[in-house]
Amino acid sequence: AQSVTQLGSHVSVSEGALVLLRCNYSSSVPPYLFWYVQYPNQGLQLLLKYTSAATLVKGINGFEAEFKKSETSFHLTKPSAHMSDAAEYFCAVSGYSSASKIIFGSGTRLSIRP
Amino acid sequence: DAGVIQSPRHEVTEMGQEVTLRCKPISGHDYLFWYRQTMMRGLELLIYFNNNVPIDDSGMPEDRFSAKMPNASFSTLKIQPSEPRDSAVYFCASSFMGEGYGYTFGSGTRLTVV
Repeated sequence: AQSVTQLGSHVSVSEGALVLLRCNYSSSVPPYLFWYVQYPNQGLQLLLKYTSAATLVKGINGFEAEFKKSETSFHLTKPSAHMSDAAEYFCAVSGYSSASKIIFGSGTRLSIRP
Repeated sequence: DAGVIQSPRHEVTEMGQEVTLRCKPISGHDYLFWYRQTMMRGLELLIYFNNNVPIDDSGMPEDRFSAKMPNASFSTLKIQPSEPRDSAVYFCASSFMGEGYGYTFGSGTRLTVV
C-alpha cells in the first residue's frame, strides 16, 4: 500500500526566498512519485515526476525535487519564489504497476509575500 | 491534443434533481479517473476505469452516484437525486498508466446543489 504525508498545510515565503515543500511517502514497492500544482479554479497540473531514473528531478517553472530513499522523502524546492508560484501543491505516489492508482497527499497551500 | 475536456464548467441545480457530468479523456489514454475535491475532504478518488471497464468504485459515496464509460472517448458521472452535500468540484483525469506518466486532469466541474 502507498501513502503520502505533506508536512504543513500552509507555507508562506517572501518573494525571492527559497521554497521548500515537504513530502514523505510510504510504499511497499518501489514508487513513482509526483508533484502536482493547482492554481485557483483550475485542475491539477503535473510539475514533475520521479520514475527511478535520476534522484534529482527537474520540473517546470524552476521547481525540482530530490528522491531520498533512506529518508522516504520527496521534498519540492525552488531557489527563488515568484508571486506566480502561489498555488496549492500536491505530492502523490503510485507503485510500479499498470494497475496502480495514484494516491494524493492533502496538499500544501503556498503563499508568497511581496 | 486538447487535453481532458470536462463539461459543464459550472452547474447549479436544485436538491433532488439529476446531475450529469461529462468527460472526454485524451485520445490513447487507457485509464480514466473521477475525483471529487472539497475543502473538508480534499481530493477523493470516486471511481476509475481501465479500457472502459470500471476497476474500483469503492470511493463512490452512495448509490445516488453512478459512472459509465460507454467508449474510450467519453465518460459520465451521474448523481440522482442530488443533495446539497454533493456540492464540490469534480475532476476527471486520464492516463496511460503503464509508463508512469502521471495523470492529466481536466479543468473540473464546479457543482452547487441548492
